[in-house]
Amino acid sequence: AQRVTQPEKLLSVFKGAPVELKCNYSYSGSPELFWYVQYSRQRLQLLLRHISRESIKGFTADLNKGETSFHLKKPFAQEEDSAMYYCALSGRRLTGGGNKLTFGTGTQLKVEL
Amino acid sequence: DTEVTQTPKHLVMGMTNKKSLKCEQHMGHRAMYWYKQKAKKPPELMFVYSYEKLSINESVPSRFSPECPNSSLLNLHLHALQPEDSALYLCASSASGTSLDGYTFGSGTRLTVV
Repeated sequence: AQRVTQPEKLLSVFKGAPVELKCNYSYSGSPELFWYVQYSRQRLQLLLRHISRESIKGFTADLNKGETSFHLKKPFAQEEDSAMYYCALSGRRLTGGGNKLTFGTGTQLKVEL
Repeated sequence: DTEVTQTPKHLVMGMTNKKSLKCEQHMGHRAMYWYKQKAKKPPELMFVYSYEKLSINESVPSRFSPECPNSSLLNLHLHALQPEDSALYLCASSASGTSLDGYTFGSGTRLTVV
């Protein structure tokens, strides 16, 4: 079974403060991990993929297989970062293509002025 | 075109009605998905289509019936729904095979069953 845990429902920080959104996963094989973001009244969109080791909008996330974690970090929060953030795991690759993406329960990030 | 388009955006239907949700993508993706999202909850997988064949049905009640007429289109036929089926229904697509590009989501159809 594949499972994703996001322990914080709500994270409130001040503008300019560092942000860390926690994500832990459970999967027996080699996981593919993602962060998705949903801004108010907008569609769910891909933010980061662990495989690409990129920084998007100042956010980074490192896969720690020892701790089975994929925390999302940003050194200085901006007001426009306020959104719902979902950590997601793709573990089961389907015959013929496609995959099964499992989402965590999400963390609402609120950046205050 | 890098989007997944869903219609209608909003739908209100009675428990005896039959309606359909539509999803379209022209990115050449060969895997398409239906997810259900309740308020303040994560999306939950319903169905996966890969190369126009149903790969996964996550024990979804038969009142939801998916259909994939071709590689660009995905439908969800609704019949005899219950009020608890009211939710945001999301369609997504991904490139098949070993792609790690993640999903592209549509903006969803907000369904209300009365």
